[in-house]
Amino acid sequence: EAGVTQSPTHLIKTRGQQATLRCSPISGHTSVYWYQQALGLGLQFLLWYDEGEERNRGNFPPRFSGRQFPNYSSELNVNALELEDSALYLCASSLIRLDGQETQYFGPGTRLLVL
Amino acid sequence: QKEVEQDPGPLSVPEGAIVSLNCTYSNSAFQYFMWYRQYSRKGPELLMYTYSSGNKEDGRFTAQVDKSSKYISLFIRDSQPSDSATYLCAIPMNRDDKIIFGKGTRLHILP
Repeated sequence: EAGVTQSPTHLIKTRGQQATLRCSPISGHTSVYWYQQALGLGLQFLLWYDEGEERNRGNFPPRFSGRQFPNYSSELNVNALELEDSALYLCASSLIRLDGQETQYFGPGTRLLVL
Repeated sequence: QKEVEQDPGPLSVPEGAIVSLNCTYSNSAFQYFMWYRQYSRKGPELLMYTYSSGNKEDGRFTAQVDKSSKYISLFIRDSQPSDSATYLCAIPMNRDDKIIFGKGTRLHILP
């Protein structure tokens, strides 16, 4: 079974540009989470999509946005890029287990560098 | 106080040693705890999960929860160089399904 996939693996942009990152969840998973992993800050929750709807967002400005498509794949868009947006962006898809708890499976990430 | 705290390390130990990785948390209502392992240039992968207090063992790995101290631990026995990675503790936030991650501890197993 294929895992979570993300594209591109690396992305280089300049300040003020827009970046689009893509994620395909594991087949059968309907929830997609986006995280930012910046050096020294750990994994920071960005956005959660489920069944095509945004369910929750973390403490990030509105220039971070996204969407989930009918096939449950997802896009993360970052507008007006700033230098501090340079980070590894991780996508995870989730499965609610029989005991009601959730397990998230991560993709390899997109490394965004803003110059 | 942050909801989940974890020493970032790095932690260097010789091959074969027992490794102890720890996190503290602030909310006594948390009941479900997870450990993820992240190799360099890879996404995190779920290693173990535990529910409530006590120990859970899986091969060389043991996860321990002490709810009275709000302290969770991951022990690695007979550590191998392939265990060199960043280990993140993670706790689901029941109120809104968000998962809070510790910052991760970088572990180096020296051959």
